[in-house]
Amino acid sequence: KNEVEQSPQNLTAQEGEFITINCSYSVGISALHWLQQHPGGGIVSLFMLSSGKKKHGRLIATINIQEKHSSLHITASHPRDSAVYICAVTETSGSRLTFGEGTQLTVNP
Amino acid sequence: ETGVTQTPRHLVMGMTNKKSLKCEQHLGHNAMYWYKQSAKKPLELMFVYNFKEQTENNSVPSRFSPECPNSSHLFLHLHTLQPEDSALYLCASSRGPPDTQYFGPGTRLTVL
Repeated sequence: KNEVEQSPQNLTAQEGEFITINCSYSVGISALHWLQQHPGGGIVSLFMLSSGKKKHGRLIATINIQEKHSSLHITASHPRDSAVYICAVTETSGSRLTFGEGTQLTVNP
Repeated sequence: ETGVTQTPRHLVMGMTNKKSLKCEQHLGHNAMYWYKQSAKKPLELMFVYNFKEQTENNSVPSRFSPECPNSSHLFLHLHTLQPEDSALYLCASSRGPPDTQYFGPGTRLTVL
């Protein structure tokens, strides 16, 4: 069992829909990261959070430390949001990032 | 953000070749990372350097040899690779672990 689990693995939505991607982890962490990977491989860090909630434009990330769970929400989704969204955690034991398998999001016009 | 560059972007090599991947960051960061991304698998951390010193080696085979001459440059020297080493190799940097990491575009490696 992976230390970082994401759901769903694949998600297809219509433009304008509200999207939620979930991440659960089983280790102690100092931070949780949400990353976006577009076709071709480039990765962009969206959020790093250790508590509460962060918002950037149409993206919102929340984390519940007690439940070891985080969600990434996209409001008013758009086809350009189509990408793989990856959850990763920095374990308290060191500096390494442990990654989830990613969620492939496709937003249709 | 294109503060992290990687060259080459694509590389095809035979199993007996020796090649090197290069990563350069222009962000003034102190930590640099090598990751491997194989098809349909999560990203895997390979190496971490902090202030030019290697702080993580995630049980990587010795046919991968990293080099970090200064905080801005990171190399991955490759020799006698196997076809299963074909993958996307990503470099990243951060102010220091565990800060937000900034990724390069990656090198798509194919080993024949």
